[in-house]
Amino acid sequence: QQQVKQSPQSLIVQKGGISIINCAYENTAFDYFPWYQQFPGKGPALLIAIRPDVSEKKEGRFTISFNKSAKQFSLHIMDSQPGDSATYFCAATEETSGSRLTFGEGTQLTVNP
Amino acid sequence: DAGVIQSPRHEVTEMGQEVTLRCKPISGHNSLFWYRQTMMRGLELLIYFNNNVPIDDSGMPEDRFSAKMPNASFSTLKIQPSEPRDSAVYFCASSYRSYSGNTIYFGEGSWLTVV
Repeated sequence: QQQVKQSPQSLIVQKGGISIINCAYENTAFDYFPWYQQFPGKGPALLIAIRPDVSEKKEGRFTISFNKSAKQFSLHIMDSQPGDSATYFCAATEETSGSRLTFGEGTQLTVNP
Repeated sequence: DAGVIQSPRHEVTEMGQEVTLRCKPISGHNSLFWYRQTMMRGLELLIYFNNNVPIDDSGMPEDRFSAKMPNASFSTLKIQPSEPRDSAVYFCASSYRSYSGNTIYFGEGSWLTVV
């Protein structure tokens, strides 16, 4: 019930291409869905987040698409750059649990020049 | 604005030794988390505190692990005795609940190697 399933495990994209990472969840009480970006040797950092009252949120080249009925959400990175190469984690939480996040397994993205 | 501060950044210790990891959360944050990251298991929540009180320690692997938060600006994660399988990156994170969402800020991690 608390799991967040993330795919793919790894992704290789050419510079300028679109990177798409997908997540699915079971707990319908989840009401906040952040994405974290982690560079080697660093801690994860918040990239972008969405609440289920909207179906899409865009910040620069990063877009979250949210499908409440399917209990799925995805991260799209447009015009992918080598500097985007990192591990991306989706996560979910419900307000009643405070800030306890349930993380997906992570996707290692490599953007080739 | 200093972020979450962890120490040590790197630790190599022998099996059976005690390891203490330290964390200073962001000032004003009222929730603190300890995560462990490995290739095999990804990011695992070990324990989290709210207002210095442990709320959920179900992720703590076994009795060898213990965590304390004596005040709002300091927490420790202790492993005694340490074992090779404890080798991992341990992250401390903190957050402050707000209506705009629960952003968690991670430290840079403590890289533990038990030989």
